[in-house]
Amino acid sequence: QVQLKESGPGLVQPSQTLSLTCTVSGFSLTSNSVSWVRQPPGKGLEWMGAIWSGGSTDYNSALKSRLSISRDTSKSQVFLKMNSLQTEDTAIYFCTTVDYWGQGVMVTVSS
Amino acid sequence: DVVLTQTPPTLSATIGQSVSISCRSSQSLLDSDGDTYLNWLLQRPGQSPQLLIYSVSNLESGVPNRFSGSGSETDFTLKISGVEAEDLGVYYCMQATHAPLTFGGGTKLELK
Repeated sequence: QVQLKESGPGLVQPSQTLSLTCTVSGFSLTSNSVSWVRQPPGKGLEWMGAIWSGGSTDYNSALKSRLSISRDTSKSQVFLKMNSLQTEDTAIYFCTTVDYWGQGVMVTVSS
Repeated sequence: DVVLTQTPPTLSATIGQSVSISCRSSQSLLDSDGDTYLNWLLQRPGQSPQLLIYSVSNLESGVPNRFSGSGSETDFTLKISGVEAEDLGVYYCMQATHAPLTFGGGTKLELK
């Protein structure tokens, strides 16, 4: 059974770095890509970036300068790191294969 | 980046009514491999999005066949033939032909 689960801090201070982990099961990261998608409160979905099955990455043009996605295939985990957080980065963060989605983790940027 | 424009932004329907949502792309979504990676997702209130249709017209496993997708190149449509209460929520188109991937702005389906 395919599952994805996001984990990370619920609260991050402005200007700090966000670190999230997506732990997957039921499939191999070397066979499937994983994307990060976020959703600010009351707004639509924003694709942040992905790590493809071969290990390469692509990023949203607007976030590219402060976003990094990586993985540990031995642990079935995908990582998101985004620096210089501002209040507008407050959102639910999802990891997804598009056909399967995690439950999301709410991240609030506030002092 | 590819811009996906969804219309209408809000759709009011009665149970049993058939409705359509449009998704227009700023560039062709036909990939060099011959496939067109345009997907439709539904996000019910308080839930994660779920994939309904992939590659324009392929129904995801477990999705009722009242949902159908059509279109090509830059113009795509999602049709619901007979809205049911469980269909309420926000519908998004999403393209995966060109990196970076992008979503449409969403169409909220509500009860009239």
